[in-house]
Amino acid sequence: GIQVEQSPPDLILQEGANSTLRCNFSDSVNNLQWFHQNPWGQLINLFYIPSGTKQNGRLSATTVATERYSLLYISSSQTTDSGVYFCAVEGQAGTALIFGKGTTLSVSS
Amino acid sequence: NAGVTQTPKFRVLKTGQSMTLLCAQDMNHEYMYWYRQDPGMGLRLIHYSVGEGTTAKGEVPDGYNVSRLKKQNFLLGLESAAPSQTSVYFCASSWWAGRPLHFGNGTRLTVT
Repeated sequence: GIQVEQSPPDLILQEGANSTLRCNFSDSVNNLQWFHQNPWGQLINLFYIPSGTKQNGRLSATTVATERYSLLYISSSQTTDSGVYFCAVEGQAGTALIFGKGTTLSVSS
Repeated sequence: NAGVTQTPKFRVLKTGQSMTLLCAQDMNHEYMYWYRQDPGMGLRLIHYSVGEGTTAKGEVPDGYNVSRLKKQNFLLGLESAAPSQTSVYFCASSWWAGRPLHFGNGTRLTVT
């Protein structure tokens, strides 16, 4: 099946810093989504982005489907950005999202 | 709209006991999923459903059964719980394949 690799596994930032999280996947995809799991365990859908670029406030994401990667940018990070960020993809033959192992982000004030 | 609601939030079972986790969504979504989350493993797909009356196996289906008798509900059953099934279970739904996924708040299950 399709493989999803996220990097880095852990990231520690000072408030106000910028960061880039990466998601590599092993095959063509129909569907790619980014999620944030907050410290209380809730999973929030950030982006649905199988290709192209989207922005939502301080967050933006870019997927280059032909090169099989996606990037999540966080600008001017805040302590509320802390948590785990997951990338999930669905291959062209699949009907369900497969998740990477996540990037754990800690933002300190 | 409540979105995706999971019941119960917490449960402790003894090895060999059975239980059913309930997932309900009020968004009229066709697709529903059960994932488990273990430390360092991300989320792994257990079973999913592409519509009322349908179910399919995911990555880690062994030891679990599911049913989707009504479109809005997706049940996950453990017939004989094992300590390896200690995990946080998440239900999710989407309107259709390839559409944004919406998660419930999870059920923390401990099997002793």
